[in-house]
Amino acid sequence: NAGVMQNPRHLVRRRGQEARLRCSPMKGHSHVYWYRQLPEEGLKFMVYLQKENIIDESGMPKERFSAEFPKEGPSILRIQQVVRGDSAAYFCASSPWEGLETQYFGPGTRLLVL
Amino acid sequence: QQQVKQSPQSLIVQKGGISIINCAYENTAFDYFPWYQQFPGKGPALLIAIRPDVSEKKEGRFTISFNKSAKQFSLHIMDSQPGDSATYFCAASMDNTDKLIFGTGTRLQVFP
Repeated sequence: NAGVMQNPRHLVRRRGQEARLRCSPMKGHSHVYWYRQLPEEGLKFMVYLQKENIIDESGMPKERFSAEFPKEGPSILRIQQVVRGDSAAYFCASSPWEGLETQYFGPGTRLLVL
Repeated sequence: QQQVKQSPQSLIVQKGGISIINCAYENTAFDYFPWYQQFPGKGPALLIAIRPDVSEKKEGRFTISFNKSAKQFSLHIMDSQPGDSATYFCAASMDNTDKLIFGTGTRLQVFP
């Protein structure tokens, strides 16, 4: 029973490039959450999605960041025109249904912007 | 009001000792309080969680104590082991939002 999968595990981008992070939730899970962790800090909520719907994007920066969870395929977190301040670990979590608070986290994608 | 304050930032404990990590919150609408354990290079893993209708929950060597009136909760690790060395995060959420609000983390080191 595979857990939450994220790829790539490490991603290096130059300033101005695009970063695309993928998350495959656990089998049977239809709710996906993205969090960002800056060095030596806690995780900050970014966005909560269900299949084909954004439920809560209150933690997403207003510009350059977008997320989707299509009917088929993984959830994607997209960062356009990356800046050095985007360097962080990005974690995806999934849960099976609404109201069940237990969220299972993936191993994360470590983004480094040069 | 959405913050969860966690202390200490780091903790050093001898093997066999008790590790205690504390968290405090302001928003009384929070009704779910999990603790996560994170090893370097890994994602957070759920350790134990509590709801405010109980004052204590124990699972093996891990115990959550919850004080609703003080809006505080703590994690106790009994008989701490070197394998417990990790970063621990408390968190809180409201049932109708699902998003987790995390504390800033405590780096625990257990020495043999």
